[in-house]
Amino acid sequence: AQTVTQSQPEMSVQEAETVTLSCTYDTSENNYYLFWYKQPPSRQMILVIRQEAYKQQNATENRFSVNFQKAAKSFSLKISDSQLGDTAMYFCAFKTDSWGKFQFGAGTQVVVTP
Amino acid sequence: NAGVTQTPKFRILKIGQSMTLQCTQDMNHNYMYWYRQDPGMGLKLIYYSVGAGITDKGEVPNGYNVSRSTTEDFPLRLELAAPSQTSVYFCASSYPNRPDIGANVLTFGAGSRLTVL
Repeated sequence: AQTVTQSQPEMSVQEAETVTLSCTYDTSENNYYLFWYKQPPSRQMILVIRQEAYKQQNATENRFSVNFQKAAKSFSLKISDSQLGDTAMYFCAFKTDSWGKFQFGAGTQVVVTP
Repeated sequence: NAGVTQTPKFRILKIGQSMTLQCTQDMNHNYMYWYRQDPGMGLKLIYYSVGAGITDKGEVPNGYNVSRSTTEDFPLRLELAAPSQTSVYFCASSYPNRPDIGANVLTFGAGSRLTVL
């Protein structure tokens, strides 16, 4: 069974600072996809960043970047220059090529303070 | 391009009532999903579909039914509503295994908040 673990229920960061969210997963598959989704108070689920397991280069989207360690089955998200609008719940998610279902972690609440 | 549209956004039900949450997508996605999110929790998969006429159970299917008669629509039926079904429900869709940007990405609807009293 595939599992996704987010060990940090809540993280607090000041504006302009950097915060890193951790995510580990368990799978025996070799081809898969990893995602970070953001859920602000509006409840809308928004894709932040995506990583294919066959790509060694870490994905980057503006202030968001990942540290993908395939051997360690780790997929952390770094938010740089944090902004108040980054306050949200962040979910790590996983999907294999051979399986239609996405598996989500329990989420990490990020609070950005002035 | 509307993406994934869910209706209604809010609904209050009495115990024992039934209702259908509607979901439609206009992206020609094969895969569609229903998730529920209880307060302060993550997403749990209720049902999913890999194409018209094909559905399968997720982690928490009890008390729900689905159908997929067209590629676009994936309604979720609640029979005999119970307080334990009070939750926010999300419909999502994806187009799997395409080597282009956006493949395998879940696109979500805005969610439907259901309260059972």
